[in-house]
Amino acid sequence: DAKTTQPNSMESNEEEPVHLPCNHSTISGTDYIHWYRQLPSQGPEYVIHGLTSNVNNRMASLAIAEDRKSSTLILHRATLRDAAVYYCLVGNRDDKIIFGKGTRLHILP
Amino acid sequence: GAVVSQHPSWVICKSGTSVKIECRSLDFQATTMFWYRQFPKQSLMLMATSNEGSKATYEQGVEKDKFLINHASLTLSTLTVTSAHPEDSSFYICSAGGRGNSPLHFGNGTRLTVT
Repeated sequence: DAKTTQPNSMESNEEEPVHLPCNHSTISGTDYIHWYRQLPSQGPEYVIHGLTSNVNNRMASLAIAEDRKSSTLILHRATLRDAAVYYCLVGNRDDKIIFGKGTRLHILP
Repeated sequence: GAVVSQHPSWVICKSGTSVKIECRSLDFQATTMFWYRQFPKQSLMLMATSNEGSKATYEQGVEKDKFLINHASLTLSTLTVTSAHPEDSSFYICSAGGRGNSPLHFGNGTRLTVT
């Protein structure tokens, strides 16, 4: 079973920030938190990952709770191209990666 | 640019034939690759873990004699769907990652349609 729980879907207006939550209450000390997104008919695309500290890159920010049992992917200014299914995954690379159902993000123009 | 290349991107085959899908890591060596299957509107389902130089590890319910995996080099894994049936029609995706906790990279998937 997937180690994460995410809302099935979310909506956001274009050009507004989006906060996508993920619960991973059974995360272990060596597990990284990874976020991927999948556009229709494509393979998943890496977004961001982190261990304990918050992370920023050109695509998004990752806010990790102090107890690491949850995290939030932040898209600072959503565009229509950000409409996708976002997957939150936890594990270390030697583990097999099990996908949960992800969050389908709809962006309203 | 793409760091994992998957080929073909789509294939149509007749029932009873076999289809081979290739997954290549382009600029890194991958001792482990993963194969997933995805049905419409569903999440990715892990089929097997492909290990370079050894046998693949299959998930429960995945027939190893039907889905043959070969990982003969550090940059290439292949999935062969043998004696394909219409219910094998799906989107097949591979992934590979570098060492340590660097992120996984995914191929663009192969859409298999069995007629």
